[in-house]
Amino acid sequence: DAKTTQPTSMDCAEGRAANLPCNHSTISGNEYVYWYRQIHSQGPQYIIHGLKNNETNEMASLIITEDRKSSTLILPHATLRDTAVYYCIVRVAGDSSYKLIFGSGTRLLVRP
Amino acid sequence: EPEVTQTPSHQVTQMGQEVILRCVPISNHLYFYWYRQILGQKVEFLVSFYNNEISEKSEIFDDQFSVERPDGSNFTLKIRSTKLEDSAMYFCASSEYRGRLNTEAFFGQGTRLTVV
Repeated sequence: DAKTTQPTSMDCAEGRAANLPCNHSTISGNEYVYWYRQIHSQGPQYIIHGLKNNETNEMASLIITEDRKSSTLILPHATLRDTAVYYCIVRVAGDSSYKLIFGSGTRLLVRP
Repeated sequence: EPEVTQTPSHQVTQMGQEVILRCVPISNHLYFYWYRQILGQKVEFLVSFYNNEISEKSEIFDDQFSVERPDGSNFTLKIRSTKLEDSAMYFCASSEYRGRLNTEAFFGQGTRLTVV
């Protein structure tokens, strides 16, 4: 699976958009970009995933560059409860094993 | 909303003892996983399980570890002889498999294992 690079930490003000970048310059054509987050020591929580088109769900939006070498997770109106470690992970679609390789992620602090 | 349930939430055990961590995956999911997270470190993959057999395991998952689906709802992780370094949060996860696409995995809230 391709490696990802994320900033160690970020912060944003409550109510503002949080934009979390991720570089995955070695991504292969059949690899999806997944985002998970971990609030304190809870289990990782799935947020969103995409292949090449931008995606949006009730939690977030995912913007993937045309060359697929980077992506941005957008939390449109961050709340204090969004304070967490955010993980960007790439994995092969159709892979029969859901082996997720977690990096260190980005620690997002949402300020009041 | 369906969720993965893990019990107990916290387990304290003596070094050398056997422990069994239990998980109830989401009911229509076919793939099951165990991950662990040592305090302050990354989440690490241990094992994946499908169709009553291990489909993949990491180097961490040595002979001291085993997994089982004893009935139609539970999925267990057994550590035969616990060591101090087994102290960690253990997360169970499950996922569907629709067509050729493995869908997103859902994680439980974890069991904190403390070996003393």
